[in-house]
Amino acid sequence: QSALTQPPSASGSPGQSVTISCTGTSSDVGGYNYVSWYQQHPGKAPKLMIYDVIKRPSGVPDRFSGSKSGNTASLTVSGLQAEDEADYYCSSYTGSNNVVFGGGTKLTVL
Amino acid sequence: DVQVVESGGGLVQPGGSLRLSCAASGFTFTSHWMTWVRQAPGKGLEWVANIKQDGSEKYYVDSVRGRFTISRDNAKNSLFLQMNSLRAEDTAVYYCVRNRAGLDYWGQGTLVTVSS
Repeated sequence: QSALTQPPSASGSPGQSVTISCTGTSSDVGGYNYVSWYQQHPGKAPKLMIYDVIKRPSGVPDRFSGSKSGNTASLTVSGLQAEDEADYYCSSYTGSNNVVFGGGTKLTVL
Repeated sequence: DVQVVESGGGLVQPGGSLRLSCAASGFTFTSHWMTWVRQAPGKGLEWVANIKQDGSEKYYVDSVRGRFTISRDNAKNSLFLQMNSLRAEDTAVYYCVRNRAGLDYWGQGTLVTVSS
């Protein structure tokens, strides 16, 4: 149950787009279309932003989008806004009803 | 509104036990898998355990298997985590989370500190 690999940090200016990667293996990210992304502001609980690789829960702006290629999933935030500054975590189903998270990426809006 | 509210955290000595509770409301509890996720201070998220709607299936991360037990009381819309043989590395905020498509509703968490 090794953690998924995310870059520790990412940044962009307001209005720009930024993409955060999440790399796993064929036993997790590559093997299932069950990748989710979570946003966490300091001192707050995580919030679901993307599930099943590409789907957005109701209320999540369409500036947030997900994708996957092979063993790597990605979260793209378009039209960056100040309130997007937060930590972002990916997760994947691993089989046997287990879940693994990535180490997290701190997104800074410059 | 969907709500999950954790309780039961606190300070415990290494080797001790603690039982976390989670009260769920605003949704049909019996329709959902439920999950515990933890976050050590300043660290990332770690999936701990989950449980099927009727409690018949339970799964754990390797580091807690044999020490932690997840359970639920569907009559009381409640989720539990019995934690035994606690270690310093179990120190974390523990979140109760509803499974639907992804982990879609999170409580505010309860802090467990394992220290002498």
